[in-house]
Amino acid sequence: GEDVEQSLFLSVREGDSSVINCTYTDSSSTYLYWYKQEPGAGLQLLTYIFSNMDMKQDQRLTVLLNKKDKHLSLRIADTQTGDSAIYFCAAPPWGATNKLIFGTGTLLAVQP
Amino acid sequence: EAGVTQFPSHSVIEKGQTVTLRCDPISGHDNLYWYRRVMGKEIKFLLHFVKESKQDESGMPNNRFLAERTGGTYSTLKVQPAELEDSGVYFCASSQDEGHTQYFGPGTRLTVL
Repeated sequence: GEDVEQSLFLSVREGDSSVINCTYTDSSSTYLYWYKQEPGAGLQLLTYIFSNMDMKQDQRLTVLLNKKDKHLSLRIADTQTGDSAIYFCAAPPWGATNKLIFGTGTLLAVQP
Repeated sequence: EAGVTQFPSHSVIEKGQTVTLRCDPISGHDNLYWYRRVMGKEIKFLLHFVKESKQDESGMPNNRFLAERTGGTYSTLKVQPAELEDSGVYFCASSQDEGHTQYFGPGTRLTVL
């Protein structure tokens, strides 16, 4: 079945760039998502990329998609302490668009 | 525009009791989804409503879980009787159309003692 994997933890210094990686085994040709969960809060949609795109930039966020390698990454430029959160990669499984498969989440810790 | 809301935010119950979680989707969203994250594991899909109909309930763990969406507006998820392994965070999401972006609520943290 569909599997989405992420590294569990990333620590960076304030002002540096953060890169959070995600790999998936298969996906419907639709959107792939990044969600953010701050401490004690719900899942906030951060950004998404359509599967026919290689890159999407949105202010400090850059999403890269390598369909051949089934690899998705999220780059946060000039990382701030307020970016500390858990970041989830999510993709719909092959043949289904009504559900999302989530990775385990990457805890981003930003050191001042 | 109000986002997805869930009630309660926290619930602590004893094993064997019943708990009902509520989700109010974004107004006008016909698609409503339930997910849960247990013991720090992955967030897993439970089921999907289109209006009042269950479109896909393949993720429901067992028959102790009952989801309803009478009238196609808000939804409830009842756990009866609750077991220890049901502890976790239950998320609700909604989308305008299937395949469109799912917007999540803040979640309900359920603790079964």
